[in-house]
Amino acid sequence: DTGVSQNPRHKITKRGQNVTFRCDPISEHNRLYWYRQTLGQGPEFLTYFQNEAQLEKSRLLSDRFSAERPKGSFSTLEIQRTEQGDSAMYLCASSSQPTIAKNIQYFGAGTRLSVL
Amino acid sequence: DAKTTQPPSMDCAEGRAANLPCNHSTISGNEYVYWYRQIHSQGPQYIIHGLKNNETNEMASLIITEDRKSSTLILPHATLRDTAVYYCIVSHRDNQGGKLIFGQGTELSVKP
Repeated sequence: DTGVSQNPRHKITKRGQNVTFRCDPISEHNRLYWYRQTLGQGPEFLTYFQNEAQLEKSRLLSDRFSAERPKGSFSTLEIQRTEQGDSAMYLCASSSQPTIAKNIQYFGAGTRLSVL
Repeated sequence: DAKTTQPPSMDCAEGRAANLPCNHSTISGNEYVYWYRQIHSQGPQYIIHGLKNNETNEMASLIITEDRKSSTLILPHATLRDTAVYYCIVSHRDNQGGKLIFGQGTELSVKP
């Protein structure tokens, strides 16, 4: 257990439905990252937060995706009007302020989304 | 961020050392080499990182060549629980926000 909690672990939905995932990072970590991983591929960066501020979004994050971290603690990732191509593992990671010599991220176990 | 190249898969006998290579020939002077691994159905887990000197911790050793164009992760006594995908990541110290850029990694199978 890394201390990063993600819920739910599995989500099955029908195409066109909205889904929301939650990530609870390690409490003292001010950085929170979201990644997506499809079968056989490494995780791909989606977005990250510094406290409550969303500082970077990948081009992978279409306008159907929105992420929030309202109080700088937990974060949610919402996908609207899901498509079959959204089926993937969604991973959350947290870290303390990275320095030149140390940027270690702690990952949750992920939420596996299946869009039927 | 510099690109990395890793073999797609490797086998190792239980109890033997596992040596996982990574090529990062375009690495620049201020980029670090990080290793993570991902056991099936879990999120990635940090293992070790280094700049130019060899590093060792309780999990593994990292050997970086003098020209820094390649590195090797060494698991000294592999166990069945070390079966995982191992990712070598080169991270620029000014990387915007510290995001990790994963490749496809090396799938290590430790066999009894």
